[in-house]
Amino acid sequence: QVQLQESGPGLVKPSQTLSLTCTVSGDSVNSGSYYWTWIRQPAGKGLEWIGRIYTSGSTDYNPSLKSRVTISLDTSKDQFSLKLSSVTAADTAVYYCTRRAPWGAFDYWGQGTLVTVSS
Amino acid sequence: EIVLTQSPGTLSLSPGERATLSCRASQSVSSGYLGWYQQKPGQAPRLLIYGASSRATGIPDRFSGSGSGTDFTLTISRLEPEDFAVYYCQQYINSPLTFGQGTKLEIK
Repeated sequence: QVQLQESGPGLVKPSQTLSLTCTVSGDSVNSGSYYWTWIRQPAGKGLEWIGRIYTSGSTDYNPSLKSRVTISLDTSKDQFSLKLSSVTAADTAVYYCTRRAPWGAFDYWGQGTLVTVSS
Repeated sequence: EIVLTQSPGTLSLSPGERATLSCRASQSVSSGYLGWYQQKPGQAPRLLIYGASSRATGIPDRFSGSGSGTDFTLTISRLEPEDFAVYYCQQYINSPLTFGQGTKLEIK
């Protein structure tokens, strides 16, 4: 059974960098043809794709966030991480890590972690 | 960027009724690279349908997906109490991947 678990600070100050880690169990981030992905959801709103990293290490980001986002992979720990710089209150959201299967859709999700940007 | 527009915004039905949710894309989503997700309050979305019409593992057969090109539909044949939730469509043919704004299915 594949499981994903987000971890990281729940409160980040404006202008600082948001850092989250997703730990994968029941699978390896280095196996298969998966895209390891971050998605966020502001309270009461819809879902926004942030970006993804492939098992090879190649990345793709949402153009709306591209200048501020970095996603990386740590195969030794079966983890992948998100860094979002220069945050503002608009970045307050529940952040989900997910696995995108080779056939395209997101089949496994973490439970989500709320990150609040506030001084 | 492909924009997905879901309708209606809110659908009020009773258990046992049939639900039909629509998702329209601003450009063709070829090869049916479209999925549907269910989200309940405080929970992560759950994959229901991928490839426009294939049910994900463990999804009851009362859920079905159809459509092609720019028009897609999620049908729930007979609503169970646990089906009342928010439903999102999502395309994964073009980057950035995008979601519809959601349809809230509420008990009438």
